[in-house]
This record gives sequence, C-alpha cells and structure tokens, in this order.
Amino acid sequence: DAKTTQPNSMESNEEEPVHLPCNHSTISGTDYIHWYRQLPSQGPEYVIHGLTSNVNNRMASLAIAEDRKSSTLILHRATLRDAAVYYCILLNNAGNMLTFGGGTRLMVKP
Amino acid sequence: GAGVSQSPSNKVTEKGKDVELRCDPISGHTALYWYRQSLGQGLEFLIYFQGNSAPDKSGLPSDRFSAERTGGSVSTLTIQRTQQEDSAVYLCASSLEGGGRGDTQYFGPGTRLTVL
Repeated sequence: DAKTTQPNSMESNEEEPVHLPCNHSTISGTDYIHWYRQLPSQGPEYVIHGLTSNVNNRMASLAIAEDRKSSTLILHRATLRDAAVYYCILLNNAGNMLTFGGGTRLMVKP
Repeated sequence: GAGVSQSPSNKVTEKGKDVELRCDPISGHTALYWYRQSLGQGLEFLIYFQGNSAPDKSGLPSDRFSAERTGGSVSTLTIQRTQQEDSAVYLCASSLEGGGRGDTQYFGPGTRLTVL
C-alpha cells in the first residue's frame, strides 16, 4: 500500500502562511491526495483534495508535485483556530481510507 | 443540515462485556466508514459500506468486531467480549458516493469507549 510521511510537528506565527509537506513516493496513478485536519477533541474535518493539478478552496491551497510524489498544503494566513493535526491521506478507487500519515501537529503562536 | 451523529458519546464498560455503537450518517450518503483512534494515534480504518455491496471488512482487528448497516442508513458497530486494548474513540464517517472520485468524508463526533 502507498504510504505518506509528514513531519511530526510544525510551528507558525498567527497571520503568516504555513506550508505543510507530505511525501507519498509510492503513490499510484489512481490515488487521490486528501488532506483532513483534526482539532482537539473533535472528529476529522475535510480540508482539500486533488489528483494532479493544484487546487484552491476557501480553506487552503494544495500544491501537487509534477511527479505526484509529494504535495504541500498551504494555509495562506494561519489563525489560532487552525491549530490542529493535519493528515495527508491517499484515497484509492476502493473508496476507503487505506493509508494514513502520522499527521503534522500545527501549533500557531499569537 | 444535520451532520453525522453517533451515540453514545461516551461508553464505559467492563472487560468481557459486549458493546454496540451507533452511527447515523448524513441522509442520502451511500458510503459509510468506521474508524478508531487510540489516544494520541492516527485513524485506523475498520470497515466500509457502499450501497448494497458487500462491506469491506479488511480493517476489522479481530472476529470480536462486527458491523451492520440496516436499510442503507444507520450502522451499528458491535464489539463482543471487550478487552482493554479496545479502548479508543470510534469514529464514523459518511460520504455521498464513496469510490476513488475524490469523495469527501464527513465525520461524526465519535464515541469514546473505555474498557475497565
């Protein structure tokens, strides 16, 4: 199964951009790259997903490397409410979440 | 609209007892997932239901775990003869279609199970 690797933790200052990296060197051609985040004591929350092209939504941007072996979640202006564990996940055609990274704990300093 | 709901929110049980955890997915969602999350750990996939297809049970850790989904809606996860290592937060998610089409999963708040 394709695996993802992420840094254990990152720090950011409030109002500054944050780039959260994810490596998935064994990704297959049919795997979608999803990002979810989990705030303390809550269930995971969808952030963004993509296949090949970069994606933007109201929460974040997703930059996908040309060879798809890595991706970066970009929070354009971190807020205190963005402090969470961010998971980079590969979703295959079966539709179930087979592969989880360890997640990156993002800490946002005021 | 209503999101995914789970009950109970907390469950404390004694080792060896059976427990049932309930999940009400978002209305109209055909795919339903169960996961568990041990303290400080990432998500562990348990089982996946998609429409009327046979469920994908590949993540169930032992035959003490089973799940069903009645009428394509509500799902129940049953753990028989609970063990202390079963203590975790059990999360349910639903999505509109399932499948590798970039479908978004919506998670419930989870059931925190503590086995004494």
